[in-house]
Amino acid sequence: AQSVSQHNHHVILSEAASLELGCNYSYGGTVNLFWYVQYPGQHLQLLLKYFSGDPLVKGIKGFEAEFIKSKFSFNLRKPSVQWSDTAEYFCAVNQANTGFQKLVFGTGTRLLVSP
Amino acid sequence: SQTIHQWPATLVQPVGSPLSLECTVEGTSNPNLYWYRQAAGRGLQLLFYSVGIGQISSEVPQNLSASRPQDRQFILSSKKLLLSDSGFYLCAWSVGTVNTEAFFGQGTRLTVV
Repeated sequence: AQSVSQHNHHVILSEAASLELGCNYSYGGTVNLFWYVQYPGQHLQLLLKYFSGDPLVKGIKGFEAEFIKSKFSFNLRKPSVQWSDTAEYFCAVNQANTGFQKLVFGTGTRLLVSP
Repeated sequence: SQTIHQWPATLVQPVGSPLSLECTVEGTSNPNLYWYRQAAGRGLQLLFYSVGIGQISSEVPQNLSASRPQDRQFILSSKKLLLSDSGFYLCAWSVGTVNTEAFFGQGTRLTVV
């Protein structure tokens, strides 16, 4: 069965610090990979996604993630965080080439950015 | 544009009481619909998905059921709630046949007391 591990449950950073959130998955087949974000009081929304092609994916708000197939990883990065990035971040994976979003999620990482 | 509505936002229910959470999608036709749950300290887990009216697939055995009486309506129910049903419930939708993304509602925080 697929599983997703997010090793950092809580991260506290100062504004302008760099961010990297780890995500590892276990699945032997071809996968789609996602990072979702939930800002306080808002719904879960897509930050970026990887289906195929360039393993370095750029998303909204300056975020990017790199798919490293050999490491089964899809880490999220941002070179300089802002206070408005305070949110909970979820990594997710599903089997590629299906029409169904049977997503498997990690437990999430709560990011607090102090001004 | 497409929107998804999920209500209520929070709910406190006694053990043994029934449950009905409703989700509706606007601005799209024949969506795939999903119910996810996040229990404390765990990731979001897929509970049910539906590819059409009356078609429900259950991913995990549990005390809950789902129904899809209309194309864009998805309902999560229970006849008798358990303490372990507490959690954060999210409805989601997607369209398309290959490599699509899911869009989520705002969620319902259910506390069973």
